[in-house]
Amino acid sequence: NAGVTQTPKFRVLKTGQSMTLLCAQDMNHEYMYWYRQDPGMGLRLIHYSVGEGTTAKGEVPDGYNVSRLKKQNFLLGLESAAPSQTSVYFCASSHLIEPTGELFFGEGSRLTVL
Amino acid sequence: GQNIDQPTEMTATEGAIVQINCTYQTSGFNGLFWYQQHAGEAPTFLSYNVLDGLEEKGRFSSFLSRSKGYSYLLLKELQMKDSASYLCAVSDSNYQLIWGAGTKLIIKP
Repeated sequence: NAGVTQTPKFRVLKTGQSMTLLCAQDMNHEYMYWYRQDPGMGLRLIHYSVGEGTTAKGEVPDGYNVSRLKKQNFLLGLESAAPSQTSVYFCASSHLIEPTGELFFGEGSRLTVL
Repeated sequence: GQNIDQPTEMTATEGAIVQINCTYQTSGFNGLFWYQQHAGEAPTFLSYNVLDGLEEKGRFSSFLSRSKGYSYLLLKELQMKDSASYLCAVSDSNYQLIWGAGTKLIIKP
């Protein structure tokens, strides 16, 4: 049972470089999310999607772009990486924004920007 | 603003009981969640409360008081594998999750 899979798991970038994080889920979930997790802070929502072809901004969207061309995939892009984007990134999915709202998380992608 | 407060770190002894508190101030309320996160791993769902009272699930229980903006997670018969961070999150009026910074629980033999 794959669940939510993120690639890559680790990446080191130089300031100004670009990259894309890929998230894939095999649970046929409608909702997908990208979070970042920094020491001493709660998870912060970057962008989310309520279905194929849709995206919306979360709490901290600046410097990131996303796309949801297929229901099972949610891509997070950094066009010009900055040291402030050094973080652990988690992708998550959920069936609906239903009362239980349980999120299923990927294993995380650790990004370092030098 | 919206805010979730929980202790940064707690220490407990194997076999004992520990209570992790969470207080919140949010615009609206559609439920409170507890997640467990082992170091270097993804958060995993533990519990969900939307009504006042205690929800028990094995060794773990979660309590909610909406009038006080307060919840706690109670862990009984602590095991070494319970060493982890425990994240409190509240679903606001727009069903967006507001996350606390997490409580790191250290279990000592």
